[in-house]
Amino acid sequence: DQQVKQNSPSLSVQEGRISILNCDYTNSMFDYFLWYKKYPAEGPTFLISISSIKDKNEDGRFTVFLNKSAKHLSLHIVPSQPGDSAVYFCAAREISGGYNKLIFGAGTRLAVHP
Amino acid sequence: EPEVTQTPSHQVTQMGQEVILRCVPISNHLYFYWYRQILGQKVEFLVSFYNNEISEKSEIFDDQFSVERPDGSNFTLKIRSTKLEDSAMYFCASGGQGTDTQYFGPGTRLTVL
Repeated sequence: DQQVKQNSPSLSVQEGRISILNCDYTNSMFDYFLWYKKYPAEGPTFLISISSIKDKNEDGRFTVFLNKSAKHLSLHIVPSQPGDSAVYFCAAREISGGYNKLIFGAGTRLAVHP
Repeated sequence: EPEVTQTPSHQVTQMGQEVILRCVPISNHLYFYWYRQILGQKVEFLVSFYNNEISEKSEIFDDQFSVERPDGSNFTLKIRSTKLEDSAMYFCASGGQGTDTQYFGPGTRLTVL
C-alpha cells in the first residue's frame, strides 16, 4: 500500500539554506494533508497542514505547497536550522464514515549542517 | 501546553502474554487513535475511537486487539496474546471535535520475546 510516498529517504542541507521535502500521493479522495516532525524516541509532532482546497499554507519558516493535479505536496523550511534535523513525515487524511485516519509516508530524514 | 502522554515508555513481554498500553489524551479531545510503527517501516493506523466506540479499524486490528476508555481520562490498547510480530512502537493520538489535526503521544515501545 503506497498511497503516500516520500521518495527521498534522506536530505542534507546547510544551515541557512532552504530545505525542500517532497511527498506524492495516489488517492484523490484525500482532503487534508499534514507534516509531522519526529525526533528519535519521541512521537510525531505536528508541524503544519493544508486543506485540499488550498495550494499554500505558511507558518513562520515553514510553508507547505499542494499541487492537486500532480498529487504532490512539498514542505519548505527557510532558513534551515540545525534544530530542524529530524525525520519528517507527510500524512494524508482519509475520511471514512465521518471519521478520519492518517496515512503516512515513509519519512525523510533531514540533516541540517552548520 | 497540553500533550498526550503514554505509559509505559517501554514494555517487554513474553509471547502469548497480554499487555495493556495506556494513554492519556489531551483533556478536551473527543477523538482517539492508536497507530504503530514497526522498526524501519511506516507509521500505520490501527483504530479510531469516538463516543465510546470504535469508529474504524484497520486489518491489523484483529480479535487480539481491543481498546477501551475506562474512565474520563485514560484510553487503553490491549493485546490479548502477543506475538513476536507485535513488537513495535505504539502511538496514541487524540483530536478535538471539529479539528483536523491529530496530536501524538511519545509512544510505547513494545518488545515481544
